[in-house]
Amino acid sequence: EVQLVQSGAEVKRPGATVKISCKVSGYTFTDYHIHWVQQAPGKGLEWMGLLDPEDGETMSAEKFQGRVTITADTSTDTAYMELRGLRSEDTAVYYCGRVEVRGVIPYWGQGTLVTVSS
Amino acid sequence: DIVMTQSPEYLAVSLGERATISCKSSQSVLYSSNNKNFLAWYQQKPGQPPKLLIYWASTRESGVPDRFSGSGSGTDFTLTISSLQADDVAVYYCQQYYSVPSISFGQGTRLEIK
Repeated sequence: EVQLVQSGAEVKRPGATVKISCKVSGYTFTDYHIHWVQQAPGKGLEWMGLLDPEDGETMSAEKFQGRVTITADTSTDTAYMELRGLRSEDTAVYYCGRVEVRGVIPYWGQGTLVTVSS
Repeated sequence: DIVMTQSPEYLAVSLGERATISCKSSQSVLYSSNNKNFLAWYQQKPGQPPKLLIYWASTRESGVPDRFSGSGSGTDFTLTISSLQADDVAVYYCQQYYSVPSISFGQGTRLEIK
């Protein structure tokens, strides 16, 4: 069974950095891309970036470029998303999702709530 | 960037009636070499991650009830729920994956019972 299990909720001060993990199981980690998606409270889904765990290649959305780093640890089958310079508008649930066919995402983590507050 | 626009933003339908959600892309998501539309639909309930319903614009994901169907091509797409059930109350999103590695979602349509 494919599973993506994310790290727990975080509370951060403005300007801080958060690093969220997404541990996968039930398949070969390096065989499929992983996307990261942000969802602010009561808002829609916003794509943040993509990770190819096989070679570590990433791509991020223009909105997050310069603030986001996406990485893979193939020894633990875990993907990470780090967001720096947090501001109040970064308060959101962050999801990792595994691609099946091209950019279709049938498998999702449970989500990680990040609250940015002074 | 491909911008996805859904309508309506809010929809109320009676139980057993048809629900129809529209999604338009700012450019075609039809890939001419394989004649496939790179368009998916997701359902999201409160406190849950999105659930994939349909991909390639009209292919139902395994386990999705057949009352859900997708249609359309190029830039105009529709998600139809043929007979609304109480369990279908959710927010629905379309997503393009034509421009992979980047993807984009519509703003969502909230579906409720009238």
